[in-house]
Amino acid sequence: DIQMTQSPSTLSASLGDRVTITCRASQSISDWLAWYQQKPGKAPKLLIYKASSLESGVPLRFSGSGSGTEFTLTISNLQPDDFATYYCQQYDSYFTWTFGQGTKVEIK
Amino acid sequence: EVQLLESGGGLVQPGGSLRLSCAVSGFTFSDFAMSWVRQAPGKGLEWVSSISGSGGTTYDANSVKGRFTISRDNPKNTLYLQMNTLRAEDTAVYYCAKAAVSYGFDYFDYWGQGTLVTVSS
Repeated sequence: DIQMTQSPSTLSASLGDRVTITCRASQSISDWLAWYQQKPGKAPKLLIYKASSLESGVPLRFSGSGSGTEFTLTISNLQPDDFATYYCQQYDSYFTWTFGQGTKVEIK
Repeated sequence: EVQLLESGGGLVQPGGSLRLSCAVSGFTFSDFAMSWVRQAPGKGLEWVSSISGSGGTTYDANSVKGRFTISRDNPKNTLYLQMNTLRAEDTAVYYCAKAAVSYGFDYFDYWGQGTLVTVSS
């Protein structure tokens, strides 16, 4: 199975900061990667698909990049609504979809 | 408006069974693969099972293979997860999720609100 490893596990940041979350795949997944945001007690929300495509309605301060095995999610100008946990997910392998372990973005 | 609404969760003893349902609306159900994803308390997301739009193809995580069965009733716009031989480690919030692209298996663009399954004696 393809393993997804996110770093860091927790990130402390201030309003207005630019933050970057990294996701590494155990083997190449081309650009078959999605990013989700999850707030406590809520379902995940799709932010980015195909590594860098922004889902409709998602603010432009969110961006994704990468291909192969290394990917990043960047949030520029961090807003109060952005404090949440973020997950990457690979969908390269049809028979198993795997998520990273999550990165919690908290207020410094 | 796309809506997914799970039901059927609850408290069950180890070794017991439970059937989850996910009623959907707002899109042509039979055109899209559907999946179940779970989240143990305080933990990350874990994919469980997926099913094609026609219901003819299914995939299961190794952790549930042989115990859980995903199915769908397209005329009723409902997705199911039959869970048998439940274990404590199956305790989680179970989400149903819609595939983003019709006729394909890929990422998930809509999720339900989740239903909690607790396996405990």
